[in-house]
Amino acid sequence: DAGVTQSPTHLIKTRGQQVTLRCSPISGHKSVSWYQQVLGQGPQFIFQYYEKEERGRGNFPDRFSARQFPNYSSELNVNALLLGDSALYLCASNPTGGWNYGYTFGSGTRLTVV
Amino acid sequence: QKEVEQNSGPLSVPEGAIASLNCTYSDRGSQSFFWYRQYSGKSPELIMSIYSNGDKEDGRFTAQLNKASQYVSLLIRDSQPSDSATYLCAVTLIQGAQKLVFGQGTRLTINP
Repeated sequence: DAGVTQSPTHLIKTRGQQVTLRCSPISGHKSVSWYQQVLGQGPQFIFQYYEKEERGRGNFPDRFSARQFPNYSSELNVNALLLGDSALYLCASNPTGGWNYGYTFGSGTRLTVV
Repeated sequence: QKEVEQNSGPLSVPEGAIASLNCTYSDRGSQSFFWYRQYSGKSPELIMSIYSNGDKEDGRFTAQLNKASQYVSLLIRDSQPSDSATYLCAVTLIQGAQKLVFGQGTRLTINP
């Protein structure tokens, strides 16, 4: 079975641009979460989606948005990129979004803003 | 006070010894506890989950949870050089968004 897949793997953008990151969860998983990991830190929660509805949002500005599609895949959009948005963006899937399941992470998208 | 705290290390352990990694958390509503391993340049990989007080063993790994003291630990027996990585502790709450709250990670080095 395929794991969590993310695309693209790497991305270089200029300040002020917009970026869209994509994620496909493990087959049968209905919940997708997004995390940002800055070098030397643990991942920080951005969004959780379950059955196409936003279940939670972390402490990130409105420049960050996301959505989940009927096939449970998801996109993360970041507008007006700042240098500080440079990070590894991780997608994680979970069968139900519940607290009693572990989350499986994709390989991530490394975003560099110049 | 950080929600999840770990010693950032580096923690250096000789090959074949026991590596002990610790984590404390601040929210008593935390219900699920996870250890992730992250190799340099890679994404986190789930290695242990624990939900109730006590010990949980899986191969060379043992997770320990003490909710009264609000700490969770990971023991790695017979440490191998391939265990060298950053270990992330994460917790979730039963209420609200089921987000993982991570510590900053402990960098572990196993010396041959």
